[in-house]
Amino acid sequence: DQQVKQNSPSLSVQEGRISILNCDYTNSMFDYFLWYKKYPAEGPTFLISISSIKDKNEDGRFTVFLNKSAKHLSLHIVPSQPGDSAVYFCAAIIRGGADGLTFGKGTHLIIQP
Amino acid sequence: GAGVSQSPSNKVTEKGKDVELRCDPISGHTALYWYRQSLGQGLEFLIYFQGNSAPDKSGLPSDRFSAERTGGSVSTLTIQRTQQEDSAVYLCASSLYRAAYEQYFGPGTRLTVT
Repeated sequence: DQQVKQNSPSLSVQEGRISILNCDYTNSMFDYFLWYKKYPAEGPTFLISISSIKDKNEDGRFTVFLNKSAKHLSLHIVPSQPGDSAVYFCAAIIRGGADGLTFGKGTHLIIQP
Repeated sequence: GAGVSQSPSNKVTEKGKDVELRCDPISGHTALYWYRQSLGQGLEFLIYFQGNSAPDKSGLPSDRFSAERTGGSVSTLTIQRTQQEDSAVYLCASSLYRAAYEQYFGPGTRLTVT
């Protein structure tokens, strides 16, 4: 039973436009959320995170939005650049819990020139 | 500074053999995590260490899997009597301490059981 879901296996966006990656979760105990980016043959790289007490966190071109009532978060990348082409993973954790991060299956973002 | 390193980067083994996977966390990071990614799947959490102790081993897939960490640094994940379903990329991550939830990942070990 997947607790973190990324329903779009892939997404194609034109360079310079906004990329929006979506993530849904089912476990209401999750209280911290993260986005990771992964290139082939490399480990995931931390991008940005958000606590459940916030609804938005911004870092440069990356913004994460959290809608707790809908159990939904999204990552916005503006403007999209060719180097953003990668697989993006959404992850969640219960702070103070005994587990590691729970990941979605990822969305492959392709930035077209 | 140096990131998380893992060895070997690739391992091909015959079914039934034992394998050892090694992880060197970022210096000074007290928390260490093991995950695996099977083909087409997300990352699956296996176990974490705070210092040398693992509070909860229930995430390990079977009793053929074991992990240890010595000196608060290097960790080894051992899989005994490997099976084909163990084929995956095994990823190690570390964080400054347990409550620092941003984890930094190594490049992974790709394990293939033939």
